[in-house]
Amino acid sequence: DIQMTQSPSSLSASVGDKITITCRASQSISNSLNWYQQKPGQAPKLLIYAAFNLQSGVPSRFSGSGSGTHFTLTISSLQPEDFATYYCHQGYSSSFGGGTKVEI
Amino acid sequence: QVQLQESGPGVVKPSETLSLTCNVSGGSVYSNSHYWSWIRQPPGKGLEWIGYVYYSGSTNSNPSLKSRVTMSIDTSKNQFSLMLRSVTAADTAMYYCARQDLSSVFDYWGQGALVAVSS
Repeated sequence: DIQMTQSPSSLSASVGDKITITCRASQSISNSLNWYQQKPGQAPKLLIYAAFNLQSGVPSRFSGSGSGTHFTLTISSLQPEDFATYYCHQGYSSSFGGGTKVEI
Repeated sequence: QVQLQESGPGVVKPSETLSLTCNVSGGSVYSNSHYWSWIRQPPGKGLEWIGYVYYSGSTNSNPSLKSRVTMSIDTSKNQFSLMLRSVTAADTAMYYCARQDLSSVFDYWGQGALVAVSS
């Protein structure tokens, strides 16, 4: 089974900050890595698919990179609506990372 | 725009079977380009993939739940269903249905159905 480890589990940041969230896979998953954003009381929303592809309608301040076992999600300039929990997800066997809560 | 909506009992007794249905609108479950999936999230915790059903009726599920899970699809009603047997308090969660493409991306989600296991 492929384990996904996200770090940090939480972070505090301010509007305008650049932040990076890391996701590591226990074995190589090529570029089969997706990122989701979840706000309280809502279903997750797809942000990035196949490691670096921006889902339609997602602002360009979001970007993804990586391949193999190491991946990152970067938000270049945090906006008030970006405070949420972010999950990585690997497409080989559909396991999720533990989540990163981005707080003010 | 594809929309998914979960329905089912909000409370299930321990040892009984949890049953949920996901109604799909704006798209057809009779699609060879998508899987129809279930994901759950215990209160305050992370996401866990339960499994998916394909338009043909074939299924794939999380090994940790496989022995208790049955999934089915009804193309005439444009819906798919989940049954989870022998539930315990650990199965209390928000249950989401979602559309999954063949690259395993979850691109559309339902709003979720909260199911509590309680006597």
